[in-house]
Amino acid sequence: EVQLVESGGGLVQPGGSLRLSCAASGFTFSNYWMTWVRQAPGKGLEWVANIKEDGSEKYYVDSVKGRFTVSRDNAKNSLYLQMNSLRAEDTAVYYCARGTLYCRGATCHHYFDYWGEGSLVTVSS
Amino acid sequence: QSVLTQPPSVSGAPGQRVTISCTGSSSNIGANYDVHWYQQLPGTAPKLLIYVNYNRPSGVPDRFSGSKSGTSASLAITGLQAEDEADYYCQSYDSSLSGRGVFGTGTKVTVL
Repeated sequence: EVQLVESGGGLVQPGGSLRLSCAASGFTFSNYWMTWVRQAPGKGLEWVANIKEDGSEKYYVDSVKGRFTVSRDNAKNSLYLQMNSLRAEDTAVYYCARGTLYCRGATCHHYFDYWGEGSLVTVSS
Repeated sequence: QSVLTQPPSVSGAPGQRVTISCTGSSSNIGANYDVHWYQQLPGTAPKLLIYVNYNRPSGVPDRFSGSKSGTSASLAITGLQAEDEADYYCQSYDSSLSGRGVFGTGTKVTVL
């Protein structure tokens, strides 16, 4: 059974840092892109960052570029999100999600077939 | 603000059919990028509902169906049930976002 379990969330002051982890099990972690998605209170889903199977490619939404870093440790079946210079607007539940690749011609993208339960990050003084 | 627009809410009585639109543009859905749909029940994580426009993962009832045409996509729920009350999001890609995904604005489905 595929499982994704996030941890590391909590209350942090503006300007502070936090590191989220996502422990994966039930599938070959090193074969999948992984993605972080967040949801601010009462708001919709926002794609945050993703990372290729071997960690060689990473992409970020503009609002977190330069502040957040996505990484993975395939030996530990774990995904991470290092969040620095946190702002009030980063307050959200952060989900990790597995990306399943599909290709149409030469173009390949992902849909998210498994999600964790989420980890709440609150940025407040 | 998302590049994929959904109606904020739709509602229907039990047994009725409702549809949710996901309107994009020539740089996303209209550029032949596929659309996926997620259901988020209250207080829970999103769940994949439809992938690659119209495919249902194992375990998803056939009451849920997806379609895509031009710069838009749609999710239809037939035989609406109380347990379908949830938020629904479309997801695709945009040529201006280079490897980054995008979600629709979300639609709250209310069963009357």
